[in-house]
Amino acid sequence: SQQGEEDPQALSIQEGENATMNCSYKTSINNLQWYRQNSGRGLVHLILIRSNEREKHSGRLRVTLDTSKKSSSLLITASRAADTASYFCATNGDSGGSNYKLTFGKGTLLTVNP
Amino acid sequence: DAGVTQSPTHLIKTRGQQVTLRCSPKSGHDTVSWYQQALGQGPQFIFQYYEEEERQRGNFPDRFSGHQFPNYSSELNVNALLLGDSALYLCASSLRGLAPSSYEQYFGPGTRLTVT
Repeated sequence: SQQGEEDPQALSIQEGENATMNCSYKTSINNLQWYRQNSGRGLVHLILIRSNEREKHSGRLRVTLDTSKKSSSLLITASRAADTASYFCATNGDSGGSNYKLTFGKGTLLTVNP
Repeated sequence: DAGVTQSPTHLIKTRGQQVTLRCSPKSGHDTVSWYQQALGQGPQFIFQYYEEEERQRGNFPDRFSGHQFPNYSSELNVNALLLGDSALYLCASSLRGLAPSSYEQYFGPGTRLTVT
């Protein structure tokens, strides 16, 4: 079963606009990660935020984490057509057996129109 | 620096057959995980190999088995294929440790399996 749920399922914006995707999860986590997938191929790691962190930045990406609400958001600023892809959040559990295993949501399909 | 490689890229099998998928991890990585991604879904964890042993397993039947070799490469075997096994199979590698970076996984391009 999948841990997280991304919202929205699909998002279409114009180049230059900001894109915000949300993720909710169910169990305690060690960290939460965001991945990008182009056209059903391999996933690319974007950013990792640990459970004791609230916000993290990497280039045009900003991730927030609210462990009390079991939710995270990914903001992509000044979007480009090349950002068109599916975005997934994935969690690592905080117990020994679930460490290292990633549990993914269903993803948000982002389309950036030129 | 070679990333994660997988072979073959595409595969078509008939129901009831067996299939073997292969993965070579990123240079320096010692842990390999396998995921199944059905169309329109997120990847689902199948199992993870470290030190040539299965360390964790997801909710998949015994028809799914694997192996890790001394050079850290890995194989995923699926027996008695079902139509529902049609999916993109992703291999991911990482370096086991305590640093936060050990939780980041590097994914290969995947093998697209179609069962007819």
